Amino acid sequence: EVQLVESGGGLVQPGRSLRLSCRTSGFTFGDYAMSWVRQAPGKGLEWVAFIRSKFYGGTPEYAASVKGRFIISRDDSENTAYLQMNSLRTEDTAVYYCASLPGYYFDYWGQGTLVTVSS
Amino acid sequence: NFMLTQPHSVSESPGKTVTISCTRSSGSIASNYVQWYQQRPGSSPTTVIYEDNQRPSGVPDRFSGSIDSSSNSASLTISGLKTEDEADYYCQSFDSSNYVFGSGTKVTVL
Repeated sequence: EVQLVESGGGLVQPGRSLRLSCRTSGFTFGDYAMSWVRQAPGKGLEWVAFIRSKFYGGTPEYAASVKGRFIISRDDSENTAYLQMNSLRTEDTAVYYCASLPGYYFDYWGQGTLVTVSS
Repeated sequence: NFMLTQPHSVSESPGKTVTISCTRSSGSIASNYVQWYQQRPGSSPTTVIYEDNQRPSGVPDRFSGSIDSSSNSASLTISGLKTEDEADYYCQSFDSSNYVFGSGTKVTVL
């Protein structure tokens, strides 16, 4: 059974940092690109970042709204993806989902972790 | 970058058919695959259509996807509507290392 489990969310003040983790099982993690998608309260889905598999260079891409502030990474030995979020803003408040990327679509999704940025 | 525009909501009775449109603002709808995701209240999204018209295993054939180059749009059709189909539906495509989601459509089963 495929599982993606996010953790690391919580309440954080504007300007501070937070690191999210996405532990996976049930599929060959190293063969997949991985992504983070967020959903602000009562709003739609917004892609945040993805990281290619090592076969394709392991390079990241970011949405314009987070570029320069967020860093996506992966540890294939731990089957885990990460999202380092720096200089957080109130508009970053959202549920953050990780998802596997077999191609140009999001395949399996985690249950999400809530990040609240507020003073 | 382009945008994907969806109707805010659609509603229909059980057993009927609904079609949700997803119109691409610039660039050809056919240039990159379109996907559709279902999100029930309080749950994570799940894929119902990928690569324009492919159904993941476990998704009933009541769900179908298509693209129309003349209107530069994609469509998700749900036939034989069931109460369990009540959810938000999002289209998604890809261009130049950017993933774009539509604004979402709330499907209400009357």
